[in-house]
Amino acid sequence: GAGVSQSPRYKVAKRGQDVALRCDPISGHVSLFWYQQALGQGPEFLTYFQNEAQLDKSGLPSDRFFAERPEGSVSTLKIQRTQQEDSAVYLCASSLTRKEKLFFGSGTQLSVL
Amino acid sequence: GQQLNQSPQSMFIQEGEDVSMNCTSSSIFNTWLWYKQDPGEGPVLLIALYKAGELTSNGRLTAQFGITRKDSFLNISASIPSDVGIYFCAGHYSGNTPLVFGKGTRLSVIA
Repeated sequence: GAGVSQSPRYKVAKRGQDVALRCDPISGHVSLFWYQQALGQGPEFLTYFQNEAQLDKSGLPSDRFFAERPEGSVSTLKIQRTQQEDSAVYLCASSLTRKEKLFFGSGTQLSVL
Repeated sequence: GQQLNQSPQSMFIQEGEDVSMNCTSSSIFNTWLWYKQDPGEGPVLLIALYKAGELTSNGRLTAQFGITRKDSFLNISASIPSDVGIYFCAGHYSGNTPLVFGKGTRLSVIA
C-alpha cells in the first residue's frame, strides 16, 4: 500500500481481555517500530524489528506485551490481560532501513475499561 | 530513559505571526528531527538535522541543530490555520538507539 496501515483504528477492551493490534508496513521496508503514545504525551518506543528479527524490545513495559513479525512484513502487537494503564494510542512506523526516515501509521487507539 | 524537554507546552498565536519552539536534552544527540501530528494521525516528519550547527529550511519552517548537540529549535514564519497541530522534537542519542520524542508543543492559530 501507499502508507503504513494499522487496524483496528479503535479498540475497546474490558480489563483482563487480550488484544491484538495489526500493522502493515510500507512494502519493502525492512525496519518496523512500535510506539505507545499516552494522552498528551509524545510517542514512546516499545520494540523494533529488522525483517523478522526482533532486535530491540527494551521498551516493552511488561511481559504482557508481545510483538511478532513472522514473515518480515506484517507485524502484530499483542497485549495480554489488559490493564487500564494500557489505554493509549499504539503507533507503528516503518522505514527502508533503520537509519532512514520513519513513516508512521495513524495508530490504534486502545481503551481499556 | 533519555529525556527531551520541549517548550512551550502550548501556544496560541494570531494568523500571520511567527512561531518559535525549542527542545533541550541533558545528553548529546546525533540527530534532531521535528515532526507534526494532526488529530487522529501519526507524526509526519518535517525536518531532519544531522550535524551540529546545521540550519535547514522546509518552506516556512526553519530548524537548527544546536552547536552543543543538546538542543534544537523550530521556527514557523507567517503562520496559517493549517499549521495547527502538535509539534514534536525527536532525536537519536547514538547510532542504533531508538528515536526518542519530546512531549510536544500544541500550536493553535487564531484567524
